[in-house]
Amino acid sequence: LAKTTQPISMDSYEGQEVNITCSHNNIATNDYITWYQQFPSQGPRFIIQGYKTKVTNEVASLFIPADRKSSTLSLPRVSLSDTAVYYCLVGEGSARQLTFGSGTQLTVLP
Amino acid sequence: DVKVTQSSRYLVKRTGEKVFLECVQDMDHENMFWYRQDPGLGLRLIYFSYDVKMKEKGDIPEGYSVSREKKERFSLILESASTNQTSMYLCASSSPGTTDTQYFGPGTRLTVL
Repeated sequence: LAKTTQPISMDSYEGQEVNITCSHNNIATNDYITWYQQFPSQGPRFIIQGYKTKVTNEVASLFIPADRKSSTLSLPRVSLSDTAVYYCLVGEGSARQLTFGSGTQLTVLP
Repeated sequence: DVKVTQSSRYLVKRTGEKVFLECVQDMDHENMFWYRQDPGLGLRLIYFSYDVKMKEKGDIPEGYSVSREKKERFSLILESASTNQTSMYLCASSSPGTTDTQYFGPGTRLTVL
């Protein structure tokens, strides 16, 4: 399973765009990149997933360069309610084993 | 919407007790998972099951067992609870063929005294 590295914490202000980068140098050909969000006292929630280039949904965008050794989760115009831990995961499509790292604690300030 | 429910949000047990944590999902998912989450350690996989009566060990299975008698239900069992099993326990489910999309329950915060 590919190992991921992401910042431990980030601060931002309301209304700003936040970019969280994750490195995964050992990503395999069949691996997808998935991001989860977790609020305190809740289970993680799927945000977005991609394989290459750019993916966008109603919540976030995911940018993946051609070499796929890193990815960037972009949250447009964050609000206080976006304060959470964000996890980057890399794994193949079997959906059997996922490895969660420590995640990035995003704190949005007023 | 997929719903994963766990039997308790908070549970307090004593050392040596047998503890059952229940998880139920309503989306007919084949795969189900049990994780524990501890500060600074992220989520660690305890066991997972990809079919009824099937189970596989995750990264930290010691001190735990599981049961999957029905497709929608996956139970985590602590045969003899110990204080180092005090943790947040999270259940998840997914469908095979999807790509790493797991749906999590709200978690059970277990305290072993």
